[in-house]
Amino acid sequence: DSGVTQTPKHLITATGQRVTLRCSPRSGDLSVYWYQQSLDQGLQFLIQYYNGEERAKGNILERFSAQQFPDLHSELNLSSLELGDSALYFCASSVAPAGHSTDTQYFGPGTRLTVL
Amino acid sequence: GQQVMQIPQYQHVQEGEDFTTYCNSSTTLSNIQWYKQRPGGHPVFLIQLVKSGEVKKQKRLTFQFGEAKKNSSLHITATQTTDVGTYFCAPISNFGNEKLTFGTGTRLTIIP
Repeated sequence: DSGVTQTPKHLITATGQRVTLRCSPRSGDLSVYWYQQSLDQGLQFLIQYYNGEERAKGNILERFSAQQFPDLHSELNLSSLELGDSALYFCASSVAPAGHSTDTQYFGPGTRLTVL
Repeated sequence: GQQVMQIPQYQHVQEGEDFTTYCNSSTTLSNIQWYKQRPGGHPVFLIQLVKSGEVKKQKRLTFQFGEAKKNSSLHITATQTTDVGTYFCAPISNFGNEKLTFGTGTRLTIIP
């Protein structure tokens, strides 16, 4: 158990819909990262927050957005869903911002999103 | 920008054989981390390498960081079925540069 929690574990929805994925980082971690992993694919970095502020952006679509709240939990919002958005979405947390020598990332169990 | 190649993409080995995955960067790295993802699981941090030429061992796993800090390898001696999974490298090009890149991963399967 990494200490990072993600809800829900599974999500099935239809094209065009909007969903929200939630992540609670490990106690004491200020950085939250979001990744997308499609079937048999690697980890695609989406976005990172540090202490409530956006810190780095990866290949995140305009239909996707995220935020980190004062209690440090984060939400990833996916809208106008397409079939190709079906994937595993991982959240990870670390103590320090990315690039820092102590930014070991602890991953949550993931949310499996299926768009029908 | 930084480009990371991880090879091979897939590796099937007989149980007891050795296994190596390589991570190559087009730019000099500050450090590199390795993660393992078991089938159906989430990535788990294995180790971080920081120094040029650094070698670290964890039981049957040996991690190396190249002298030029542009490549790294993970070698597993005498693989066991518990080694099954995908191994990712995660290089950091500059401290303070917060662009994150995971390698494409090497999926290891073990033939009993």
